[in-house]
Amino acid sequence: GAGVSQSPSNKVTEKGKDVELRCDPISGHTALYWYRQSLGQGLEFLIYFQGNSAPDKSGLPSDRFSAERTGGSVSTLTIQRTQQEDSAVYLCASSPHRGNEQFFGPGTRLTVL
Amino acid sequence: GNSVTQMEGPVTLSEEAFLTINCTYTATGYPSLFWYVQYPGEGLQLLLKATKADDKGSNKGFEATYRKETTSFHLEKGSVQVSDSAVYFCALSENTPSGAGGTSYGKLTFGQGTILTVHP
Repeated sequence: GAGVSQSPSNKVTEKGKDVELRCDPISGHTALYWYRQSLGQGLEFLIYFQGNSAPDKSGLPSDRFSAERTGGSVSTLTIQRTQQEDSAVYLCASSPHRGNEQFFGPGTRLTVL
Repeated sequence: GNSVTQMEGPVTLSEEAFLTINCTYTATGYPSLFWYVQYPGEGLQLLLKATKADDKGSNKGFEATYRKETTSFHLEKGSVQVSDSAVYFCALSENTPSGAGGTSYGKLTFGQGTILTVHP
């Protein structure tokens, strides 16, 4: 079956613009995670959705970052008024209910000029 | 809070050499421990895991033992190959009880990553 997919694979934007990053998890997986991988900070947790529960937003670095998950499936990460320090690879992962392996997508490389 | 510390890289070895990548952790509860690998041009994938003290995770010749007394989960391989060249990440997740006696595994906290290069 298909793995986790993310789009776009690459995004170049200008400082101050808004961007949307999409994640399609593995079908049937109830948990969805967003992480960020950058040179200076390594791999950081951003946000976590589990079923119908309220998301864990504790990793979002500022209020310019938000995410939603529609219908318990596709998720969109939105970054408003992008800054150069937002440049990173944004990774999405999903896992089955009560599963302990997270399956990662290929990531979206975001470059803010 | 939780944290994971990995040995500084990069690590450069000759083929068939012995590999150790050290990993120690700090956690408030009883976490599950993982090693993830990122091969060049590919996404993160799970290499092995251990969910409780003294468990040994193993895969593709790699092993790591969950040592609660030393809060460590060191990765080892007896004989590395060129194809093992990759970035290795140690990680943990807190275990929380969920309904019907199950356990949910939450967000991952990662170490900094260790770049391994194996030469022929």
